[in-house]
Amino acid sequence: EVQLLESGGGLVQRGGSLRLSCTASGFTFSSFAMSWVRQAPGKGLEWVSTINPTDRTTYYADSVKGRFTISRDKSKDTLFLQMNSLRADDTAVYYCTKEISSCATISCNNYYYYAMDVWGQGTTVTVSS
Amino acid sequence: DIQMTQSPSSVSASVGDRVTITCRASQGVSSWLAWYQQKPGKAPNLLIYAASRLQSGVPSRFSGSGSGTAFTLTITSLQPEDFATYYCQQANSFPFTFGPGTRVDV
Repeated sequence: EVQLLESGGGLVQRGGSLRLSCTASGFTFSSFAMSWVRQAPGKGLEWVSTINPTDRTTYYADSVKGRFTISRDKSKDTLFLQMNSLRADDTAVYYCTKEISSCATISCNNYYYYAMDVWGQGTTVTVSS
Repeated sequence: DIQMTQSPSSVSASVGDRVTITCRASQGVSSWLAWYQQKPGKAPNLLIYAASRLQSGVPSRFSGSGSGTAFTLTITSLQPEDFATYYCQQANSFPFTFGPGTRVDV
């Protein structure tokens, strides 16, 4: 069964740091782009960050750029989100997602992204002010 | 950034109804458009990608259409398990953006 399991959420003070983890199973983790999406209480979905299949390229929402870092350990099938300088508006459920993607060029220097086809159950981050 | 809008923001419907949700992009996204369903307290679930491709395991009463800036999600013969919030998302360019959601309730 294809599965994503997040951990690492919790209560942190404003300005603090947290590292979220997402352990993947049931698919070849190293072959897929992965993303983080968050949802503030009672609000809609917000894309946070994506790492491409080769790990050469990462993308960030402006709201987290310079504060959050996405990375992964392919030997452990684990995706990470390092979150620094946390603010009250970072309070949300954070979802780890697997992307449907394909090579846009023969050399796979670029990718097409289609959608997020697998989601974890989410981990809650609460930033206290 | 590409802004996504959805209409209506909510719709009241009954079992057996046909429901159509519209999603618009502030600039063309070709067919790089996905639809998700989310139930309270649960993670979203992918329904449609590439505007009209049905995700494996999703019932055929769900369908998507459109390209460029205007898209629709149609649910024919609404079932009790379909009462949820639906989001569109553009995957044409980063930053990926979601629509604000459409709540389908009784």
